[in-house]
Amino acid sequence: DAGVIQSPRHEVTEMGQEVTLRCKPISGHNSLFWYRQTMMRGLELLIYFNNNVPIDDSGMPEDRFSAKMPNASFSTLKIQPSEPRDSAVYFCASSSSGGVTEAFFGQGTRLTVV
Amino acid sequence: KNQVEQSPQSLIILEGKNCTLQCNYTVSPFSNLRWYKQDTGRGPVSLTIMTFSENTKSNGRYTATLDADTKQSSLHITASQLSDSASYICVVSAYNNNDMRFGAGTRLTVKP
Repeated sequence: DAGVIQSPRHEVTEMGQEVTLRCKPISGHNSLFWYRQTMMRGLELLIYFNNNVPIDDSGMPEDRFSAKMPNASFSTLKIQPSEPRDSAVYFCASSSSGGVTEAFFGQGTRLTVV
Repeated sequence: KNQVEQSPQSLIILEGKNCTLQCNYTVSPFSNLRWYKQDTGRGPVSLTIMTFSENTKSNGRYTATLDADTKQSSLHITASQLSDSASYICVVSAYNNNDMRFGAGTRLTVKP
């Protein structure tokens, strides 16, 4: 398995533009997580899905952020409109639910909003 | 207040030396504790996962300990190598696998 695949690896966009980050979880995993990492705040959970259903989105900063998981093999995190303070590395992770299982992280998308 | 506190914030050691990283948590009820290694520009990679009943778990030169009574964990690295230079993140889960609380990490630099 290729692991968790995120795209793009790097994104530079202008303030006000829409940004869409993509994630393909490991096949067979039914939990998917979106995280944001900054120097100031470290890793923060934004939202997680279980069996394609959003379970907890309390970490989503504001209405400008939205996430979808239309099927078990794909998820998106959208920011509209983007702002400079959204600049961060966004990670997607997946795991199997039930018991104590390992969460596998993607390589991340480095977002820069100018 | 962060429920997972790590110390030190950063550490510099010479190649071949040992070191110990600390993690204190207040997450309750406790389910499991993980140590992740994150290389610069990469995603975190799991080193160990420990549940309530486990006191020690090793993964090569990495040994993690857990004291669930005092809510403390440590990660000991033996005979450090240059490739150990990374951030080490302590993650504690409550209730179930999905509620992971992250520490701020310890930035380890191993110098030749």
